[in-house]
Amino acid sequence: SAVISQKPSRDICQRGTSLTIQCQVDSQVTMMFWYRQQPGQSLTLIATANQGSEATYESGFVIDKFPISRPNLTFSTLTVSNMSPEDSSIYLCSVEDEGRNTGELFFGEGSRLTVL
Amino acid sequence: KQEVTQIPAALSVPEGENLVLNCSFTDSAIYNLQWFRQDPGKGLTSLLLIQSSQREQTSGRLNASLDKSSGRSTLYIAASQPGDSATYLCAVSAATSGTYKYIFGTGTRLKVLA
Repeated sequence: SAVISQKPSRDICQRGTSLTIQCQVDSQVTMMFWYRQQPGQSLTLIATANQGSEATYESGFVIDKFPISRPNLTFSTLTVSNMSPEDSSIYLCSVEDEGRNTGELFFGEGSRLTVL
Repeated sequence: KQEVTQIPAALSVPEGENLVLNCSFTDSAIYNLQWFRQDPGKGLTSLLLIQSSQREQTSGRLNASLDKSSGRSTLYIAASQPGDSATYLCAVSAATSGTYKYIFGTGTRLKVLA
């Protein structure tokens, strides 16, 4: 299974600011996924990040609000821009088990963001 | 559009009880079904993965079954312990626009009382 590290684990931010979340995987993967979990809700996919190409965003999510970088096969960042209290959520990075090609999904510990 | 529902939303049981968590999905054309555990404010831990050709998977006190035709999966937890207290999420992987994506249920919040 993949080991995924996320930073920061939690943060409290002011309205109108931006925060970048980092995700590091212990193995090379083709795709990295960013999810959002709003309070009391389930997970919603924000975007899929492929190395060497633009991220693919899901309906309702745009690059200007959630820019993503994927500089290599083990690292990605998600920025939450111009934050508002509605952005208060847990943001999760995940990868599939590409080594065994099972499609099994693994997650980092998440980044808990509170916007005041 | 695939929808995933989990019942019950919350469950409180005494320690030692065997219990069943339910997951239903609307479209049987799935690739995988995966069960996760989530502790408060934390990420998700993978518990069991059932591929579409499989009917069940077991790990320790956990057993998950899959019935694609009826759109259902169950997670059976034997001899529950207070440490099992967490939210349990199921997710199905299905083809969407040429790729596979996971759709998550809303979870069952389990509390096991000592």
